Amino acid sequence: DTEVTQTPKHLVMGMTNKKSLKCEQHMGHRAMYWYKQKAKKPPELMFVYSYEKLSINESVPSRFSPECPNSSLLNLHLHALQPEDSALYLCASSQDLVQYAGNTIYFGEGSWLTVV
Amino acid sequence: SQQGEEDPQALSIQEGENATMNCSYKTSINNLQWYRQNSGRGLVHLILIRSNEREKHSGRLRVTLDTSKKSSSLLITASRAADTASYFCATELNRDDKIIFGKGTRLHILP
Repeated sequence: DTEVTQTPKHLVMGMTNKKSLKCEQHMGHRAMYWYKQKAKKPPELMFVYSYEKLSINESVPSRFSPECPNSSLLNLHLHALQPEDSALYLCASSQDLVQYAGNTIYFGEGSWLTVV
Repeated sequence: SQQGEEDPQALSIQEGENATMNCSYKTSINNLQWYRQNSGRGLVHLILIRSNEREKHSGRLRVTLDTSKKSSSLLITASRAADTASYFCATELNRDDKIIFGKGTRLHILP
C-alpha cells in the first residue's frame, strides 16, 4: 500500500482549462517529486522539491506549475495544456534528497490526465 | 535524459520458472534501485543496492551489481502470476538529486 496519496485518479480537461493535481504524504519526508509517464515508457522527472523549495526543474514548460504549500503537500497546476501532455502523472517522496545515498522513493498511484 | 537500459524489453515465461532482467547504465552511480509497476499503477520499490555491494537478496529477488561493467541484474525465482508487471532499474547519479529510470522490462508470467 502506498503512503503517497494522489488526487484525482482521473482528470479530463480541455486545452483552455485550469486544473490542479494534488499529492499528499504523511511520512515526514522532506523531498517530493513530480514525474510524467507516457504509455510503455519510463517515468520522466519533472520537478524536485526539497524542504518545500524547488530544487530541480527539468526544463518543464511553464504550463505546468508546481507548488509546495507545506512539507506534506505538493500540487501541480495545469493551464493551457496540449493533447500531447496526456499521461500518467506520478508524485513521489523520499526521506531526503537522493544525493544522500540510499533514499528510497515512494510513489503514489498516479493521476491519469487526458487533455482534449 | 536516460541512464539505464533494461534488457530484454519484454519477457514471457511459464509460472514457476525464474526470470532474469538486466540493466546497463552509463555513468558512475551512488546506488541502483529496482522498481515494479503493475499496469496503470504507481511504482513499488523492490530493492536498493549500493555501489559498494555486489549482491543483495530480498525474498524471491536477487540483485547483482557489477560497477566495472556498469550493469545490474534482477532475478525473480519461482515466478508467480502476480509477478506480471513492468520492472525498471533506476540509478542515482553521483552528486545529483535525480533518480533516472531505464526503459523497463515488461514481464509476463504465463499460467
